[in-house]
Amino acid sequence: EVQLVESGGGLVQPGGSLRLSCAASGFTFSNYAMSWVRQAPGKGLEWVSTVTDSGDRTYYGDSVRGRFTISRDNSKNTLYLQMNSLRAADTAIYYCAKFRLGFDDWGQGTLVTVSS
Amino acid sequence: DIQMTQSPSTLSASVRDRVTITCRASQSVSNWLAWYQQKPGKAPKLLIYTASILESGVPSRFSASGSGTEFTLTISGLQPDDFATYYCQQYDSYPWTFGQGTTVEIK
Repeated sequence: EVQLVESGGGLVQPGGSLRLSCAASGFTFSNYAMSWVRQAPGKGLEWVSTVTDSGDRTYYGDSVRGRFTISRDNSKNTLYLQMNSLRAADTAIYYCAKFRLGFDDWGQGTLVTVSS
Repeated sequence: DIQMTQSPSTLSASVRDRVTITCRASQSVSNWLAWYQQKPGKAPKLLIYTASILESGVPSRFSASGSGTEFTLTISGLQPDDFATYYCQQYDSYPWTFGQGTTVEIK
């Protein structure tokens, strides 16, 4: 059974940083691209970032490019999202998701709240 | 960036109704489109990928079609479990983008 478990969310002040982690199990992690998708309270889904299976290429949404960094450690079956210069608009549930031809597995999400 | 526009935003329907949700892309995404269902407080669930292929385990009352810029998701015989919000998503080109969502509510 595929499991994706996010951690690292919490309350942070504007301008601050957080690092999210997503521990993966139940599949061969190094065979799949992985992504972060977020959802602000009461809003729709927003794709944040994707990293290829090997980790050699990364892609970002316009709203986070230059502030967020996606990475992965295939030896630890873990996906990361380093978030810097956080803004109130980054407040959301952050989901990690496995990508095949669509996001076919999702974690339960971790809440990030940016507020003073 | 490719914009994805869903219609309607909200749809009121009854059990056993046939409902159709439309998703339009601002430029061609070929067939690189997925549909998701999301219930309150839960992660989204993949229903359809590459525009028309039903994900394993998804009931056959869900179907989808389209290519290029226009896509549809149809639920034939709405069930109580289907009242939820549905999103389309293109993965033809970065940045990947979602539609704004269509909420299917009970009439």
